[in-house]
Amino acid sequence: RKEVEQDPGPFNVPEGATVAFNCTYSNSASQSFFWYRQDCRKEPKLLMSVYSSGNEDGRFTAQLNRASQYISLLIRDSKLSDSATYLCVVFNTNAGKSTFGDGTTLTVKP
Amino acid sequence: DVKVTQSSRYLVKRTGEKVFLECVQDMDHENMFWYRQDPGLGLRLIYFSYDVKMKEKGDIPEGYSVSREKKERFSLILESASTNQTSMYLCASRVLGLAGSSYNEQFFGPGTRLTVL
Repeated sequence: RKEVEQDPGPFNVPEGATVAFNCTYSNSASQSFFWYRQDCRKEPKLLMSVYSSGNEDGRFTAQLNRASQYISLLIRDSKLSDSATYLCVVFNTNAGKSTFGDGTTLTVKP
Repeated sequence: DVKVTQSSRYLVKRTGEKVFLECVQDMDHENMFWYRQDPGLGLRLIYFSYDVKMKEKGDIPEGYSVSREKKERFSLILESASTNQTSMYLCASRVLGLAGSSYNEQFFGPGTRLTVL
């Protein structure tokens, strides 16, 4: 079983749709959580950190459930520019390293 | 802005060659990482370094070594390149942050697409 598992996707949605991505992690020692975005043929870039209380950044909402070891990302009112691969990342401070999910690809269509 | 640069965007080498991939960051970050990214396998950690002269094996270190002689530079070495090392190689750096801190964000270089023939 992979340490970080994401919805395999791909997700194909129309503009304006709401889409949710899920991620589970197996290492309970994981201490920091992130969503990264990777455009085609580009490097990953931080989209947002994920906090226990949940956090929102514009159209993006991230949730963390430590008891279930589950992370989610909700995108409201999807734009064409949201088309990318979204990577779930968990960081273990003790080990000093991050583990990346395989990513979920989103395509937003007109 | 943090900048992470990698020595080449594209590289073609032959089986058995020794290959050096260089990564430089300009933000005085303590931690640096080398990943490879393959379709269906995601990003996998090869090696990382907490600080100068320090190195730790990641999840797939076999066939690779690293060097961190200066804080800003982290080199990945393929001692004898093989075709199964054809991949996208991504370098990243991160400031040493507190647990739960957003300072644990990693900044990535643009990647080196290595082809081993």
